[in-house]
Amino acid sequence: KQEVTQIPAALSVPEGENLVLNCSFTDSAIYNLQWFRQDPGKGLTSLLLIQSSQREQTSGRLNASLDKSSGRSTLYIAASQPGDSATYLCAVTGGSGNTGKLIFGQGTTLQVKP
Amino acid sequence: EAQVTQNPRYLITVTGKKLTVTCSQNMNHEYMSWYRQDPGLGLRQIYYSMNVEVTDKGDVPEGYKVSRKEKRNFPLILESPSPNQTSLYFCASRKLGGNTIYFGEGSWLTVV
Repeated sequence: KQEVTQIPAALSVPEGENLVLNCSFTDSAIYNLQWFRQDPGKGLTSLLLIQSSQREQTSGRLNASLDKSSGRSTLYIAASQPGDSATYLCAVTGGSGNTGKLIFGQGTTLQVKP
Repeated sequence: EAQVTQNPRYLITVTGKKLTVTCSQNMNHEYMSWYRQDPGLGLRQIYYSMNVEVTDKGDVPEGYKVSRKEKRNFPLILESPSPNQTSLYFCASRKLGGNTIYFGEGSWLTVV
């Protein structure tokens, strides 16, 4: 059964720092991995999607990497800003017995202090 | 504008009183699903639907029902809500075979 873990659960950094959020998954047979952002009281917004054949994706100050063999992904945020404060969730699609649903990690809550 | 709309957004109800959370999408997506989000447990899938009249259980289907009579709508039904169904619920949709998934803004449900 696919399991997704995110470490740390919470992170607080001063504005301007570069930071890395981690995601690991137990079954490497995934179709893709996605990073989402969730603001308090809001739904999820997809940030980046990495297909299983890709190693990384970039969007603005965000860079996501994928290492299927080790079951790991990282989300790199450059020059963090207070507006980046949110919960970041990673989710995988696929894996043994999976029907295409998303399996989520529990998220990392990021606070960027001015 | 591409949208997944859930209603109600906030609801407090009593144990045993049937309720329905509606979900509607305007993107002609085949795939729709329901998740619940709980502290320490993350998001877990309740039910999903691959197309009209095709539904299947997710990881935590107990106590819930769904229907998919029309492509755009995927209501979540709690026939006899219990306090352990107090949670934040999300509906999501995507095109079958597509990657981009769209989430509704969530429905906060409290069962007392």
